[in-house]
Amino acid sequence: DSGVTQTPKHLITATGQRVTLRCSPRSGDLSVYWYQQSLDQGLQFLIQYYNGEERAKGNILERFSAQQFPDLHSELNLSSLELGDSALYFCASGDRGGSVSDEQFFGPGTRLTVL
Amino acid sequence: AQKITQTQPGMFVQEKEAVTLDCTYDTSDPSYGLFWYKQPSSGEMIFLIYQGSYDQQNATEGRYSLNFQKARKSANLVISASQLGDSAMYFCAMRESLYNFNKFYFGSGTKLNVKP
Repeated sequence: DSGVTQTPKHLITATGQRVTLRCSPRSGDLSVYWYQQSLDQGLQFLIQYYNGEERAKGNILERFSAQQFPDLHSELNLSSLELGDSALYFCASGDRGGSVSDEQFFGPGTRLTVL
Repeated sequence: AQKITQTQPGMFVQEKEAVTLDCTYDTSDPSYGLFWYKQPSSGEMIFLIYQGSYDQQNATEGRYSLNFQKARKSANLVISASQLGDSAMYFCAMRESLYNFNKFYFGSGTKLNVKP
């Protein structure tokens, strides 16, 4: 158990809908990273928050948005969903020491299926 | 250019044998960290091992070791005495200290199958 929690574990929805994925980082971690992993593919970095502020942006679509709340949990909002958005969405936390050696701890992921 | 390259999409290894998974990286940052993660079929991402760019010795963690060749910009993962439970996807990742500190770059992964 990494200490990172993600809800829900599975989500099935229809095209055009909007969903919210939730992540709680490990106690003491200030950063939250979001990744998308499509079937049999690598991890695509979406966005990172550090102590409530957006710090880095990757290949995140305009239909997607995220935020980190004062209690450091984060939400990833996906709207106008398309079939191609079906993927495993990971949240990871880290940066407790602010060092390049700080690893990321991954949550169990949310598997999103868009029908 | 790709930051992390894993050229082996899939590999087979016999149980109890050693296997090397390749990873090359691209950075001009003098300080960086290299990570390996394992993703079993259940989906979770498990941290395996870390190597810092200034580390003099190759990192080891149990049956995992990292063959770090800085001049070649390679950070290959070596798994000794493979076990059936080692069958999984393996991802190499890098973090730079100066440029893009807040990004982890992941490779496309190598799928390892351990044969009994």
